[in-house]
Amino acid sequence: QKEVEQNSGPLSVPEGAIASLNCTYSDRGSQSFFWYRQYSGKSPELIMFIYSNGDKEDGRFTAQLNKASQYVSLLIRDSQPSDSATYLCAVSFGNEKLTFGTGTRLTIIP
Amino acid sequence: ETGVTQSPTHLIKTRGQQVTLRCSSQSGHNTVSWYQQALGQGPQFIFQYYREEENGRGNFPPRFSGLQFPNYSSELNVNALELDDSALYLCASRPQRGQGETQYFGPGTRLLVL
Repeated sequence: QKEVEQNSGPLSVPEGAIASLNCTYSDRGSQSFFWYRQYSGKSPELIMFIYSNGDKEDGRFTAQLNKASQYVSLLIRDSQPSDSATYLCAVSFGNEKLTFGTGTRLTIIP
Repeated sequence: ETGVTQSPTHLIKTRGQQVTLRCSSQSGHNTVSWYQQALGQGPQFIFQYYREEENGRGNFPPRFSGLQFPNYSSELNVNALELDDSALYLCASRPQRGQGETQYFGPGTRLLVL
């Protein structure tokens, strides 16, 4: 069983719509949750991190965490073509390693 | 830009050779982690260095080794290269332990083993 699971996609969303990316994790002791964006051929870029249950908003991005359901999501409002990328979900316990999912490939259709 | 730099950007080696990859962490960051990202996969944790000592290791064989220097820069060494070692190697740094877990990645080194 994979520790962090994501739908690999591709997920296609019209420009201007809301893109919803989902992630589940198996370790109930996980404490910190991250979303990274990765363009093709580039390294991962941190978009959001969240530690507590609920929502966290930053501009067009909202991270949602539900520890009881072991579920974390990322919403991208007013999607732009520049949002087309692979989105990686990562979880961490304490000051230890990041465990990543395989990523969801998002395509924004103009 | 994260302030984390890596060299070289690309590298081609043949099976059985040895390779050294380098990383300079962001100023003020004394913890460095290395990850391997195969094509189509998420990054996999190799190991972490804090104050020049390895303090965490993923499921990688001993031929993957590393160093951290007093200025917090780091090296990843891979001996006896195998074809499956072809991947993007990522270095990530973060602030002192206890001051947040957010890790910032460098641009990566793409290694091709023939």
